[in-house]
Amino acid sequence: SQQGEEDPQALSIQEGENATMNCSYKTSINNLQWYRQNSGRGLVHLILIRSNEREKHSGRLRVTLDTSKKSSSLLITASRAADTASYFCATDASKNTGFQKLVFGTGTRLLVSP
Amino acid sequence: DAGVIQSPRHEVTEMGQEVTLRCKPISGHDYLFWYRQTMMRGLELLIYFNNNVPIDDSGMPEDRFSAKMPNASFSTLKIQPSEPRDSAVYFCASSSSPDRGGYTFGSGTRLTVV
Repeated sequence: SQQGEEDPQALSIQEGENATMNCSYKTSINNLQWYRQNSGRGLVHLILIRSNEREKHSGRLRVTLDTSKKSSSLLITASRAADTASYFCATDASKNTGFQKLVFGTGTRLLVSP
Repeated sequence: DAGVIQSPRHEVTEMGQEVTLRCKPISGHDYLFWYRQTMMRGLELLIYFNNNVPIDDSGMPEDRFSAKMPNASFSTLKIQPSEPRDSAVYFCASSSSPDRGGYTFGSGTRLTVV
């Protein structure tokens, strides 16, 4: 079953604009990760944020986490056409075991037009 | 490293036939995951291994599906007999430290059962 739900399902912007995607999840987590998937390809890991962190940056990416609201957001600044892809959040749902398994959300399809 | 290698990239088979999907994880990664992606159900975790041992196969749809990892560098996912509803993209992913570095996905196998 899917843990996370991304919002919006689809987002269309112009190059240079910022893109914000949101993720809500249901249960307590150890960490939350964001992945990108280009059409017809595998998923690529972007960033991981732990449950005790509130914000994390990586290049043009900014991720926030609010565990009280069980939500996260991914901000892509100064978007480029190459950022066109689907973006997924994934949560570590194995809080009480030593093993990790990720449960993925439904994804946001981002289209960046030149 | 060549990354996670999956074969074949595409497979078209007739209903009732046996299908075997293959995966070579990144050397040194002791976690291996099999996911299935469809439009209707998104990304579903089927099974994962740690140090070649199956840890959680609760996502395997039914007895027609089986997975093995005979050694650290090879895993198979077998469907016998295949059905049209098995049509999906099957991804293999590996990780050395899922709680820190995320997963590395292969390019996937697109399976079509006619």
